[in-house]
Amino acid sequence: DAGVTQSPTHLIKTRGQHVTLRCSPISGHKSVSWYQQVLGQGPQFIFQYYEKEERGRGNFPDRFSARQFPNYSSELNVNALLLGDSALYLCASSLRGEAFFGQGTRLTVV
Amino acid sequence: DQQVKQNSPSLSVQEGRISILNCDYTNSMFDYFLWYKKYPAEGPTFLISISSIKDKNEDGRFTVFLNKSAKHLSLHIVPSQPGDSAVYFCAASWAGANSKLTFGKGITLSVRP
Repeated sequence: DAGVTQSPTHLIKTRGQHVTLRCSPISGHKSVSWYQQVLGQGPQFIFQYYEKEERGRGNFPDRFSARQFPNYSSELNVNALLLGDSALYLCASSLRGEAFFGQGTRLTVV
Repeated sequence: DQQVKQNSPSLSVQEGRISILNCDYTNSMFDYFLWYKKYPAEGPTFLISISSIKDKNEDGRFTVFLNKSAKHLSLHIVPSQPGDSAVYFCAASWAGANSKLTFGKGITLSVRP
């Protein structure tokens, strides 16, 4: 069985640009969440989607947005990138309590 | 305000001995707790979880203990193996939040051969 897959794995962007990160959940999982992990910290919750509806939003600015598609895959969009947005972006899918993570997208903003 | 705290940044143990990783939380609404292991350049891997209605859950070499009155949980790994060397994250959630997890900062475990 395929796990959670994320693309791309690495990305370099310039300040002010926008970026779209993609996630495909485990088959049968309807909930997708996004997390940001900066060096030395644990993952921080950004968004949760369930059945295409936003179910939760973390403490992130409006430059961050996301959506979930009918096949339960998801996109995370970040506009007007700042240097501080450089991080590992993790997608997780879940059926009940346990969240299963993808390998992440390493975003570097220069 | 850190709601999930892993106060020790690192732990080093000898192969074959027990590793005990600690985690404290402040939010009494948390009712589900999880441990994840993370290698460099990989996403976190789910290890073991425990519901607040239990005080112990065991899976092979991994056991999680929950002390609700102290708002404390611990992960025991016995016997420790060099392949266990990784960063371990404690995470918590509450009813209705499903997969919204609040993580600690992580602890780096090194198992010496």
